[in-house]
Amino acid sequence: AQTVTQSQPEMSVQEAETVTLSCTYDTSESDYYLFWYKQPPSRQMILVIRQEAYKQQNATENRFSVNFQKAAKSFSLKISDSQLGDAAMYFCAYGSGNTGKLIFGQGTTLQVKP
Amino acid sequence: AAGVIQSPRHLIKEKRETATLKCYPIPRHDTVYWYQQGPGQDPQFLISFYEKMQSDKGSIPDRFSAQQFSDYHSELNMSSLELGDSALYFCASSLGLGGGKLFFGSGTQLSVL
Repeated sequence: AQTVTQSQPEMSVQEAETVTLSCTYDTSESDYYLFWYKQPPSRQMILVIRQEAYKQQNATENRFSVNFQKAAKSFSLKISDSQLGDAAMYFCAYGSGNTGKLIFGQGTTLQVKP
Repeated sequence: AAGVIQSPRHLIKEKRETATLKCYPIPRHDTVYWYQQGPGQDPQFLISFYEKMQSDKGSIPDRFSAQQFSDYHSELNMSSLELGDSALYFCASSLGLGGGKLFFGSGTQLSVL
């Protein structure tokens, strides 16, 4: 069975600074995808970034980038130039290449200090 | 752009009652997923449908059933409700199975009293 672990329940960052959220996963599948979702207080689930496991190049979306280490089964999210609106719960998720279902980590609450 | 629509947004039920949650996927999306998120918890996968057929099943109680209709909308039926069923229920849709971006609706907050 696949598992996703986020070992940082809470993180904080100063506005305009950079923060990295950690995520590790375990799987025996060869076809999979990895995601970061943001859940603000409204509880809407917002896709932040997606990484295809067969691609070595790290995904980037504006201020958000990932460090994908396939051998280590590590998938961290870097947020640059943090903004107050980035404050939210961030979930790392594993997506099966066969069924598409997502398995989520426990989440990391990010606080952004002005 | 059109998003995933869930109704109702909020639902209050008594124990042992029945609830029906509806999900309308993004147009042209053929896959629907249901998730349950308890307070302070991560979302847990319940069930999914691809082209109107069940494609995967997770930790869904036997008291719950779901289906996807010909217009691709989906309904989650929950019977004999228990206090522990109180949660935020998300529907997500994607185009095809496997690796597609899942887009989530705003969720239905179910409270069982």
